[in-house]
Amino acid sequence: EPEVTQTPSHQVTQMGQEVILRCVPISNHLYFYWYRQILGQKVEFLVSFYNNEISEKSEIFDDQFSVERPDGSNFTLKIRSTKLEDSAMYFCASSDRRGGKTQYFGPGTRLLVL
Amino acid sequence: GIQVEQSPPDLILQEGANSTLRCNFSDSVNNLQWFHQNPWGQLINLFYIPSGTKQNGRLSATTVATERYSLLYISSSQTTDSGVYFCAVGDAGGTSYGKLTFGQGTILTVHP
Repeated sequence: EPEVTQTPSHQVTQMGQEVILRCVPISNHLYFYWYRQILGQKVEFLVSFYNNEISEKSEIFDDQFSVERPDGSNFTLKIRSTKLEDSAMYFCASSDRRGGKTQYFGPGTRLLVL
Repeated sequence: GIQVEQSPPDLILQEGANSTLRCNFSDSVNNLQWFHQNPWGQLINLFYIPSGTKQNGRLSATTVATERYSLLYISSSQTTDSGVYFCAVGDAGGTSYGKLTFGQGTILTVHP
C-alpha cells in the first residue's frame, strides 16, 4: 500500500537555526498538508497546499514558516528561525481530493529546539 | 471553526474488556477519520467514516452525521490497543480546503 514518508524522523537544532522538514506524499495525490503536535496536546493544522500554492493556513503558520514543492515528489516545510516553542512532532499528510476523502499521514518528524 | 469533543478523556481497561469512545462535532462534516497514536507517536489511520458503519477486526465505528457524533468500538481489548485515539473531522463548509480538525483525544490504557 502506498504511504507518505517523512525525513528526518528526529531533528535537534539550536534556537534561531533554520530547519527543513521533508515529505514525500503518495504519488497520485494532489492535496498536501502539514500538521503539528506539541507534546501531550492535540494535533493542529498548519497549512494546506494545492496546485503549487498555499490554499489555507492557520494562525500558527506565520512568516517564519514556508512550504514548497521543489520537484514532482517532495513537499517541504521550512522554519526560518526556530524558537523553543516550535518543538513538536510535525506530520505531513496527503489526499487525492480537497475534502471528503481519506488523508494519509506520514510517520512524523520529531523536532527538538534547544 | 468546527469544534470536536472526545470522551472520555481517559479510559483504563483490563485485557479482554470492550469499550466505546465518542466524538461529537459541531457542524456538518465531509470527512471523519479515527486515528490511533502509537507509543512512537505515529498516527495510524483506523477508519475513514463521515457517515455509516464500518468494521475492521475487533474495531468498528459508526457515524451519525445528522446527530453530529461518531463512536469507535473496541472489543476484546489487548495491551497493544493502548495509546491515544483521535477523532478528526473535515468541515463540509465551502471555504475549507480539506483541513482536519482534531479532538483532544482519548488516552486508552489496557492492563494485562
